[in-house]
Amino acid sequence: DAKTTQPPSMDCAEGRAANLPCNHSTISGNEYVYWYRQIHSQGPQYIIHGLKNNETNEMASLIITEDRKSSTLILPHATLRDTAVYYCIVRGKMEYGNKLVFGAGTILRVKS
Amino acid sequence: DSGVTQTPKHLITATGQRVTLRCSPRSGDLSVYWYQQSLDQGLQFLIQYYNGEERAKGNILERFSAQQFPDLHSELNLSSLELGDSALYFCASSGGGASTDTQYFGPGTRLTVL
Repeated sequence: DAKTTQPPSMDCAEGRAANLPCNHSTISGNEYVYWYRQIHSQGPQYIIHGLKNNETNEMASLIITEDRKSSTLILPHATLRDTAVYYCIVRGKMEYGNKLVFGAGTILRVKS
Repeated sequence: DSGVTQTPKHLITATGQRVTLRCSPRSGDLSVYWYQQSLDQGLQFLIQYYNGEERAKGNILERFSAQQFPDLHSELNLSSLELGDSALYFCASSGGGASTDTQYFGPGTRLTVL
């Protein structure tokens, strides 16, 4: 699985969009980009994933560059409850599933 | 609520003891994963089971073992506990098929070894 690079921390004003970048320059053609977050010591929460195209769900949007070497997770209207550690993970898919390799992630602090 | 349940929520025990952590996956999920999160190591993959069989191993110590039962729930057994085993232990589950491979995590078990 390809490695990812994320900034250690970011701040965002409440109500504004939070844009979290991730570099994955060694990603392979069949590897997906996954985003999870962990609020305090709770279990990691799945946010979104994508392969090539941009993706959107009720939580966030995922923008993947055309060369797939980087991506951005967008939380459109951040709230205080979005304060968490955000993990960008690249992984291939296997028939029976594949482990997640967590890095240090980005600590997002949403401030009022 | 992810649909993955873990018991107990908290566990306090002494060095040298043995404990069992339990995980029930989401309904229909065949794969179960165990992860450990300690302060100095971050979230680390321990082991994966798929439909009762071990499929992948990570940095799991020999003192630790796991199994997945026919009803698909899983147990992680930790023995000869040491102070350094104090950590959060998370279980995750996924459908197992490549197209339904998103992992959903349980709330975790906090283990404290005194």
